[in-house]
Amino acid sequence: NAGVTQTPKFQVLKTGQSMTLQCAQDMNHNSMYWYRQDPGMGLRLIYYSASEGTTDKGEVPNGYNVSRLNKREFSLRLESAAPSQTSVYFCAGSNRGPGELFFGEGSRLTVL
Amino acid sequence: AQSVTQLGSHVSVSEGALVLLRCNYSSSVPPYLFWYVQYPNQGLQLLLKYTSAATLVKGINGFEAEFKKSETSFHLTKPSAHMSDAAEYFCAVRVSGGSNYKLTFGKGTLLTVNP
Repeated sequence: NAGVTQTPKFQVLKTGQSMTLQCAQDMNHNSMYWYRQDPGMGLRLIYYSASEGTTDKGEVPNGYNVSRLNKREFSLRLESAAPSQTSVYFCAGSNRGPGELFFGEGSRLTVL
Repeated sequence: AQSVTQLGSHVSVSEGALVLLRCNYSSSVPPYLFWYVQYPNQGLQLLLKYTSAATLVKGINGFEAEFKKSETSFHLTKPSAHMSDAAEYFCAVRVSGGSNYKLTFGKGTLLTVNP
């Protein structure tokens, strides 16, 4: 039982390059989320998917796109990376009820 | 809109001393509140959650938090700090819109435990 798995764990990009962060969960979560974590800023929600087939913007969606491929997978795409997108990205899942999130171990992205 | 504010970005205690991490919330409806812990280079783990069942909530690793509506607070405490408690702690509130749920996090408090 792997939980929430993110790939890659580390990535270095040049400005303007594109990439996709992958997230997969085996906990039968209905909802999935992408957050970014920056020093002194806490976690900020980029996009979320309340259920398969739906996605919604969070607090900081600009520069990102997402795809809820199926119930298990939720990917985050940077079409044209910028240095301001240097961050640690976390994927999380949850089910109905109190709404607690289960997090992956994070993906550290550096944009030069 | 629901939000949380963590007071103090950095708290330092001695091993064996009381740990108190402060969180105040703002919510127009009865909130669901959470505390998460993040160890270095790891994801976030749930410590405890308040879902209106009881105002004193016990979590893992000896931590507990008390929901005080009159003070709009949900402070995290532990009677005796251990070196292994050194981590960053995040308070969060559930925000709901229709059938959608998401968590809004505070900015975090880094806990340092001195020997």
